[in-house]
Order: sequence, then structure tokens, then C-alpha cells
Amino acid sequence: EAGVVQSPRYKIIEKKQPVAFWCNPISGHNTLYWYLQNLGQGPELLIRYENEEAVDDSQLPKDRFSAERLKGVDSTLKIQPAELGDSAVYLCASSSGDRASADTQYFGPGTRLTVL
Amino acid sequence: AQSVAQPEDQVNVAEGNPLTVKCTYSVSGNPYLFWYVQYPNRGLQFLLKYITGDNLVKGSYGFEAEFNKSQTSFHLKKPSALVSDSALYFCAVRDTNQGGKLIFGQGTELSVKP
Repeated sequence: EAGVVQSPRYKIIEKKQPVAFWCNPISGHNTLYWYLQNLGQGPELLIRYENEEAVDDSQLPKDRFSAERLKGVDSTLKIQPAELGDSAVYLCASSSGDRASADTQYFGPGTRLTVL
Repeated sequence: AQSVAQPEDQVNVAEGNPLTVKCTYSVSGNPYLFWYVQYPNRGLQFLLKYITGDNLVKGSYGFEAEFNKSQTSFHLKKPSALVSDSALYFCAVRDTNQGGKLIFGQGTELSVKP
């Protein structure tokens, strides 16, 4: 079974430019998460989707970040405009939504963003 | 607030020796606890989890973790370390107040020397 797929793996952009990250979750997983991981730190949740609905976006900086999951499968995270402080790894994860098994989250390889 | 602490930034062990990576937690209610491993330029790989039941949980690659409710700890262990175990290890707790997000510790860099 394929895991969580993310692209691109690496992205280098100038500040003030837009950037987008794409995620394809594990087949059948209804819940999708975007996490931000700064160097030397644990990941922090940006947004969580249940199917098409963003059920927790409280940590998403909405002035410059946006996300969508139009058909309840793939998701895109966008930053516009990017700032130097956005340099980090952006991780996508998915889970089946099975609360009884603690709903284990499986992570993709991440996109490493460098803003110059 | 729910939180996880990994008190050691780095753990060094010799190959073949037992290893322990420490984790303590603070949650309201019963905790769902996880360990993930991250190799360079890779995403997080799930190792094991504790939901309920036996305090000793067995996971992937020979790792296990011991849940201790009185000490609010969930330490990761392996009887005999391998050089290939060298990586960054994260402990996490599922936030039961906010429907499922994981709250991660800062991570512990494990270095296994031959």
C-alpha cells in the first residue's frame, strides 16, 4: 500500500513569492493533517480536515496561508506571500478516523521550504 | 494544557547496549501516547502507541515502550541498539480536547556508535 505522497520534496523561493505544496493521503483515509516542523523542533499542527471540511484551522496563519481539500482526497497548502520565517519542513499526515485505535497518523516525507 | 516533554536533547549509546529515550506527559484524562522516528530528510515513521491495557507496548524494529501512569512517563526502549537506530525520536500525545491533533515533544537525537 502506498504511503502519504507529498510534492515537491524541496522548494527554494524568493521572499514575497507564492508557493504551494501538494499532498495525497493513504487511500481510504478521511482525515488529513498539515504540520509545520521548524528545525530542531517537533511538528505543530496547521490544519486538520475531516473529508472536505477543515475542522481545526486555529493554528493556520490565515493572512498568508490557505489550504483546500476540494474532493476530500488530495490537499494543497499555499503560502502567499512567503516570508523568511516560513522556511521549514511542511509535513502532511493522514489517518483513518478510527478513534477506537487512537487514529494513528501516518506521515509523508515532507516538503522542505527555503525562503531567500 | 496538554504537553509532552523529552528531557534529553541527545542520547549516546554503544552498539549492542540497551537504549532508553525518555518521555513524560501531562494530559487530562486517559492518554493516547505515540513514538515516531525521523531519519534525515524523511518524514516521521510510526513506531508504536499506547491506548490502554498492558503497560509494555511492543512496536516496530524491536522497540518497545513502557507506560507508567504514576510517573506520567512513556519511555522508549530497545534491548540491543543498532547503528542504524541513529535518528531523531519524537514522543507525542493525542490531544483529546481538540479532536485528534498530536502534540509532540522537542525530539531526542539518538546516536549509536559501533
